[in-house]
Amino acid sequence: AQRVTQPEKLLSVFKGAPVELKCNYSYSGSPELFWYVQYSRQRLQLLLRHISRESIKGFTADLNKGETSFHLKKPFAQEEDSAMYYCALSQRSQGNLIFGKGTKLSVKP
Amino acid sequence: ETGVTQSPTHLIKTRGQQVTLRCSSQSGHNTVSWYQQALGQGPQFIFQYYREEENGRGNFPPRFSGLQFPNYSSELNVNALELDDSALYLCASSFLSLETQYFGPGTRLLVL
Repeated sequence: AQRVTQPEKLLSVFKGAPVELKCNYSYSGSPELFWYVQYSRQRLQLLLRHISRESIKGFTADLNKGETSFHLKKPFAQEEDSAMYYCALSQRSQGNLIFGKGTKLSVKP
Repeated sequence: ETGVTQSPTHLIKTRGQQVTLRCSSQSGHNTVSWYQQALGQGPQFIFQYYREEENGRGNFPPRFSGLQFPNYSSELNVNALELDDSALYLCASSFLSLETQYFGPGTRLLVL
């Protein structure tokens, strides 16, 4: 069954520290992976999509098919990065997104 | 460019009642997807509409139904409400089924 796992409910780091939000997936085909972010009192918004290979707000994510992972990384966390982060995969045969349960990132001053 | 809007923002219903939630897609988008987000969980796919036809459905019972209109706005209807239906309902629109989905602010439903 298709599944997205985000093992950490909460990740707390200090400003300037590196951040890695973990995401593992289970999918039998060739998935498309996304990271969505939800800042306080804002709607869910796309952070990045693996096929675009962009770096958004300093975040990057590499798809590792061998380890079935798509971890989100940032070398130096900022307080404004504090938010809820969701990893999601899209089944190519359909358009729906399968989300993980999310990781709350808290960046302390 | 107008983003995805949803109405109402929140509402309270009692068990057994019926509810209709509405979504206006982003300008230029023809596909609408609905998700249910229970407290502490990630969004779960309910169904998707493309050009007024259902284009995929998640693991939700038939009492969850939907419509898409010619202007690509959409409705989610839930009959015979249960306590477990209490959640945030998200609508997302995209240009095509496989393109990036843009989310609305959600409707928070509480079933008592």
